[in-house]
Amino acid sequence: DGGITQSPKYLFRKEGQNVTLSCEQNLNHDAMYWYRQDPGQGLRLIYYSQIVNDFQKGDIAEGYSVSREKKESFPLTVTSAQKNPTAFYLCASSMSGQVSELGFFGQGTRLTVV
Amino acid sequence: GQQVMQIPQYQHVQEGEDFTTYCNSSTTLSNIQWYKQRPGGHPVFLIQLVKSGEVKKQKRLTFQFGEAKKNSSLHITATQTTDVGTYFCAGPNSGYALNFGKGTSLLVTP
Repeated sequence: DGGITQSPKYLFRKEGQNVTLSCEQNLNHDAMYWYRQDPGQGLRLIYYSQIVNDFQKGDIAEGYSVSREKKESFPLTVTSAQKNPTAFYLCASSMSGQVSELGFFGQGTRLTVV
Repeated sequence: GQQVMQIPQYQHVQEGEDFTTYCNSSTTLSNIQWYKQRPGGHPVFLIQLVKSGEVKKQKRLTFQFGEAKKNSSLHITATQTTDVGTYFCAGPNSGYALNFGKGTSLLVTP
């Protein structure tokens, strides 16, 4: 079945540690996105990538980094510089990066930093 | 920058009552999309509206796109407990990603 896989579903880390969230898609989509969701805040864009080896900052990129070395993979690293990393992280993809295209979301990773 | 605002933030209805959520954009949108997120789940795409004044129906759900393409609404007729969740609207920002509203959380009690 085609889809987006995020792992793990739950992740716990100590404050000050970097952590990498995985996102893999087998939809052959060009564009991939990372969103962060906090209670009552909706979804906020962290980074997006329209094509392999290229990515752009979203609205809240500070404290995060990404890479796009393969079309199917778009990992997100939450660094120690991110002041409030505890959140629900959602990865999404779309066929060509044109937002008239439909978006698909992964199941999300719930990160808790203690 | 472009902002998408949704009201109300919360809505609590009795099963069988109708429900409406409204979405307003600070700029004209090329399209608007609606998503539903069940508690503990991830957003699931519901529909995309593209044309000015467009109305689309999915069973008990009616979606409208305003004439000026700056506002939209989702109306649910005769709510059921399966309608519980948060409904988000989203519009393109600069053509490369979606700006989401903060969502309307719907609670339906039997």
